[in-house]
Amino acid sequence: KAGVTQTPRYLIKTRGQQVTLSCSPISGHRSVSWYQQTPGQGLQFLFEYFSETQRNKGNFPGRFSGRQFSNSRSEMNVSTLELGDSALYLCASSLPGRLQETQYFGPGTRLLVL
Amino acid sequence: QQQVKQSPQSLIVQKGGISIINCAYENTAFDYFPWYQQFPGKGPALLIAIRPDVSEKKEGRFTISFNKSAKQFSLHIMDSQPGDSATYFCAASPFQGGSEKLVFGKGTKLTVNP
Repeated sequence: KAGVTQTPRYLIKTRGQQVTLSCSPISGHRSVSWYQQTPGQGLQFLFEYFSETQRNKGNFPGRFSGRQFSNSRSEMNVSTLELGDSALYLCASSLPGRLQETQYFGPGTRLLVL
Repeated sequence: QQQVKQSPQSLIVQKGGISIINCAYENTAFDYFPWYQQFPGKGPALLIAIRPDVSEKKEGRFTISFNKSAKQFSLHIMDSQPGDSATYFCAASPFQGGSEKLVFGKGTKLTVNP
């Protein structure tokens, strides 16, 4: 079974621009979560989508948004980029159930904001 | 507000030695505690996980010890190998109707010398 895929793998943008990152979950997985990883703050939860609905959200400004499509693929968007948005953005998918399920991470998209 | 505190930040162990990484949490609503391993350029991968109804879980050379009253849990890597050199993250998740949000520690960079 193919793993979680993320595109693009690397991205360079300038301040003020916007960016869209894509995540394809493992086949059959319906929950997709997004995390931001930086050397200073570590791994921080951005949001989670299940059945095209945002089910949980972390403490990030409204410039960070996401969506999920009917095939469970997800995109996240960052508008008005700031230098501090430079990070590795990780997507994770899981089979949601009554208890927490294992989250499988993709390789990430490394975003550099200049 | 860091909800999961992880120590040490870095650890150097000789081949064959025992690596021990500790984590402490504050939120008593947490009831799922996974450990993730991350190699450079890769996304985190689940290593082992525990729920609070057991005090210890072992999988091969990896053992989680869990102390619910102290709100602490630790990862022990027995017979550490150079291939174990990676960054290790502890995490915790509250049961919120199946929400998959993970709160991560800041990570421990493990180096196993040959």
